[in-house]
Amino acid sequence: GENVEQHPSTLSVQEGDSAVIKCTYSDSASNYFPWYKQELGKGPQLIIDIRSNVGEKKDQRIAVTLNKTAKHFSLHITETQPEDSAVYFCAAIVDNYGQNFVFGPGTRLSVLP
Amino acid sequence: NAGVMQNPRHLVRRRGQEARLRCSPMKGHSHVYWYRQLPEEGLKFMVYLQKENIIDESGMPKERFSAEFPKEGPSILRIQQVVRGDSAAYFCASSPGTGQTEAFFGQGTRLTVV
Repeated sequence: GENVEQHPSTLSVQEGDSAVIKCTYSDSASNYFPWYKQELGKGPQLIIDIRSNVGEKKDQRIAVTLNKTAKHFSLHITETQPEDSAVYFCAAIVDNYGQNFVFGPGTRLSVLP
Repeated sequence: NAGVMQNPRHLVRRRGQEARLRCSPMKGHSHVYWYRQLPEEGLKFMVYLQKENIIDESGMPKERFSAEFPKEGPSILRIQQVVRGDSAAYFCASSPGTGQTEAFFGQGTRLTVV
């Protein structure tokens, strides 16, 4: 089955700097890769996703890149702000009936003012 | 359009009691996933359901845990004879179904077993 690894487990950056979180997956059939942000005491919130037919996707300060050959994908946050502080989870799924999301272990991002 | 609704938000049960956790998916969504999260840990898959059908329950403990998603009404995760180790946050997510895989999470139910 699918296995998703995520690095780093914790990340501290200064406000205004960029943050990069990387994930690798094992199942070459996976074709959908969402990223979730979880704030303390709340449920995970979908912030961006990418499908395997695209190499990069951007939404304001957030971007995701996908390298299918190497089986890894990354989340990039530019101009970080204190409200970006949260735990970020990546996930991978084969977008077929009967498949469930496999999540990485999470990255705790702290943006220091 | 309301999001995924979970209730209760907090649930306290004594050891040996039953816990029932409810999840109402987003309007138009027919697929529900349940995940468990221990403090400072990741999301562990439990069960994936479609209306009136369990698609994958490979993450559910074989005993005491069950889940359903009836034709009408919310999805229910049921834990019988709770033990302290069941204390965790339980999240459900819903999606429209195959080919439209965006899944949205509820705010979770925090179960405490005393």
